[in-house]
Formats: sequence, C-alpha cells, structure tokens
Amino acid sequence: SQTIHQWPATLVQPVGSPLSLECTVEGTSNPNLYWYRQAAGRGLQLLFYSVGIGQISSEVPQNLSASRPQDRQFILSSKKLLLSDSGFYLCAWILQLRGNEQFFGPGTRLTVL
Amino acid sequence: GQNIDQPTEMTATEGAIVQINCTYQTSGFNGLFWYQQHAGEAPTFLSYNVLDGLEEKGRFSSFLSRSKGYSYLLLKELQMKDSASYLCAVKDSNYQLIWGAGTKLIIKP
Repeated sequence: SQTIHQWPATLVQPVGSPLSLECTVEGTSNPNLYWYRQAAGRGLQLLFYSVGIGQISSEVPQNLSASRPQDRQFILSSKKLLLSDSGFYLCAWILQLRGNEQFFGPGTRLTVL
Repeated sequence: GQNIDQPTEMTATEGAIVQINCTYQTSGFNGLFWYQQHAGEAPTFLSYNVLDGLEEKGRFSSFLSRSKGYSYLLLKELQMKDSASYLCAVKDSNYQLIWGAGTKLIIKP
C-alpha cells in the first residue's frame, strides 16, 4: 500500500530564516506530487506540483521554491521566510492527472515569528 | 476566474441530517470531490462525482448537477465525530483541483 510522509510535523522559525520541508511517498512509482498551503480557517492553496523528476510547476509567485530530486521525494524551500508564510503545509500525491482522489500527507504546521 | 462557494459554518444536532452545499464556477469540469478535515489534520477523501446524480456511501451521500454548477454533501445520523470541516473541490480542465474554503460543521449533543 502507498504511504506519504512529511517532516517535520511542526516548526517554529524566525522571519528571514531558511526553510526546508520534505515529503516522500512509498509504494508507488512516478506519482504526481503537490504542495499546498492552508492558512487558518481557509481552503487549500496550490503552491507547486510536479509530474516527474526535475519538473516543477509554480502556481503562485512567492518566496518559496520546490524541487524534486528523486521520483518519490518533493521538497519545499525558502531562503528567507516571511510572516505570511505561516500555515499548514500539505503534500499530496496522485498516480496520474486523470486519476481521482489525492492522498495527503500528515502536514507540517509552520509558525513564522 | 475560478470560484468555489461553500457556507463558512453550520451547526447540527447529533442524530440529525445536514446538507452542505457547494457551488462552483471553473474553467472546465472533470469531477467534484468532497473531503473531510478534522482540526489540525490532513484532509481525507469522502466522495467523487463526475456525472449528475446522487452517490451514496453509508451515512454520506453526494449529489451533483453540472448544469447548475452545484453539489451537496448529505450527512445522515450525525455523530459527534462528524464535527470537522468539509471541503469541496473541483478538478478543472487542466486536471488541477480548485478548492473551496471549507464548511466547518459543529455537532451539538
């Protein structure tokens, strides 16, 4: 069966510090991978998605970046965090674009102070 | 633009029935999803509709009308554990999910 991991679970970082969040998927090959951010009481905002190694599409211009160094690894980064980067970051996967449900990782709660 | 509208919050009584509505305007349509999200947790899949009509799955049912850009999630025999946010999402012409802000459902004894 497929599983998706994210770490860390929670993170408190000062403004201006760097960020690295990691997501890995097990039990599947060549998944489509997604990074979402959810502000408190809000819906999911798609940040990045990837259909393969080294292929990243950005949905929202901001100070975040993403990379996919391996088939089942997706990394979200920032060089300098802003207060507005606080939120709940969710990684998700789907086997193919025309597939149905997206499966979500447990999420990372990021607080920028 | 693309838009998904849901009520912000609803309250219902344990054992009752509640209907959560979702209206959408998107560039293309390739299916509508409902997810449940408990506070502090990731969303979990509830239902998927791509054709008009009602899909039933236990205590939960989901309805779709593509001509009206409308869906609802029906929860029967409400239990306290059903207290959560319910997210409506539409897959657009690029097969990307467009998410509503979610409806927070509060169940009272």
